Amino acid sequence: DQQVKQNSPSLSVQEGRISILNCDYTNSMFDYFLWYKKYPAEGPTFLISISSIKDKNEDGRFTVFLNKSAKHLSLHIVPSQPGDSAVYFCAAVNAGNNRKLIWGLGTSLAVNP
Amino acid sequence: DTGVSQNPRHKITKRGQNVTFRCDPISEHNRLYWYRQTLGQGPEFLTYFQNEAQLEKSRLLSDRFSAERPKGSFSTLEIQRTEQGDSAMYLCASSGLAGGPSYEQYFGPGTRLTVT
Repeated sequence: DQQVKQNSPSLSVQEGRISILNCDYTNSMFDYFLWYKKYPAEGPTFLISISSIKDKNEDGRFTVFLNKSAKHLSLHIVPSQPGDSAVYFCAAVNAGNNRKLIWGLGTSLAVNP
Repeated sequence: DTGVSQNPRHKITKRGQNVTFRCDPISEHNRLYWYRQTLGQGPEFLTYFQNEAQLEKSRLLSDRFSAERPKGSFSTLEIQRTEQGDSAMYLCASSGLAGGPSYEQYFGPGTRLTVT
């Protein structure tokens, strides 16, 4: 049972445009959400997070939006750069569950020059 | 650099052999996690330590797997009698300044295990 779902396996955008990566979840007990970026043969790198009590968090070119009623979050990257090409994972945490991360399957982003 | 380190980066072993991986977390972090990732999947939780105490083990972790974190510092993950299905990337992450609210986990580069 996939509690965190990333329904788009891949996304391709032009350099300078906006990249929007989506994530849905089913467990209403999740109280924190994180986005990670992963290059091949490397560990995931933390990008940005959001608490369930907020609806937006911004850090430079990266903004995460949370819609709790829809159990949906999205990561916006503006402007997209070729170096952003990687696999992006959405992960969720239930603070009462040892804070272990529950992951989606990832979305592979390609930013074309 | 004081990030999470893992050794070895790559390990090729024959089926039936034992292997051990090491993780050195960020020094001030009290929480340490092991995950496993296979191709096309997200990481899957294996086990969790708070300081030296192993507080949770996934049912994915058969009795061939054992993990330790002596003295609450580095951790080791051992797989006995390896099987081809154990081939994966093994990831270690640390988080949590003692008493702090942080949920972010910081990952090492992983150990790629190939069982032939």
